[in-house]
Amino acid sequence: DAGVTQSPTHLIKTRGQHVTLRCSPISGHKSVSWYQQVLGQGPQFIFQYYEKEERGRGNFPDRFSARQFPNYSSELNVNALLLGDSALYLCASSYDDTLSGNTIYFGEGSWLTVV
Amino acid sequence: AQSVTQPDIHITVSEGASLELRCNYSYGATPYLFWYVQSPGQGLQLLLKYFSGDTLVQGIKGFEAEFKRSQSSFNLRKPSVHWSDAAEYFCAVVATSGTYKYIFGTGTRLKVLA
Repeated sequence: DAGVTQSPTHLIKTRGQHVTLRCSPISGHKSVSWYQQVLGQGPQFIFQYYEKEERGRGNFPDRFSARQFPNYSSELNVNALLLGDSALYLCASSYDDTLSGNTIYFGEGSWLTVV
Repeated sequence: AQSVTQPDIHITVSEGASLELRCNYSYGATPYLFWYVQSPGQGLQLLLKYFSGDTLVQGIKGFEAEFKRSQSSFNLRKPSVHWSDAAEYFCAVVATSGTYKYIFGTGTRLKVLA
């Protein structure tokens, strides 16, 4: 079975631009979370979605937004890119949003470089 | 607030030697703890998890971890390290206030000497 898939794998954007990152969860998983991993640090929670509804949001500015589609795939959007947004963006999926069903499995990530 | 501390930024061991990576957490209730491994340029792979029950948890690739409530620790161990274990290891606790977000430590980078 396919794991969590993310696209694109690498991209370079200019400051002020907008970026959309995409994620397909593991088949049967209904919850998607997004994490930002800056070089040398652990992942930081951005969003969790379950059944197309936002279930949680981390300490990120409103420039960050996301949505989940009926097929449970998800998009992360970042507007007005800053140099500090350069990071590995990780998507993770879990079966549901309960604690026991919430073990998350990560994709390979999307490397974003802002220049 | 919940937090995870991984005191060792870098650890170097010889192939075949034993390994212990430290993880300390801060959490008021029963913690739900995880270890993930990240190879260079890749995503995170789940090694093992602790929800409840037996405090010694077995994972993939020969890893195990022991939950010690009295020490607020969840250390990862492996009896004999292989060169392919060289990677970065992250400990995480699930915060259960509102949503089940994972809080990660800053990671420990493992180097294995041949």
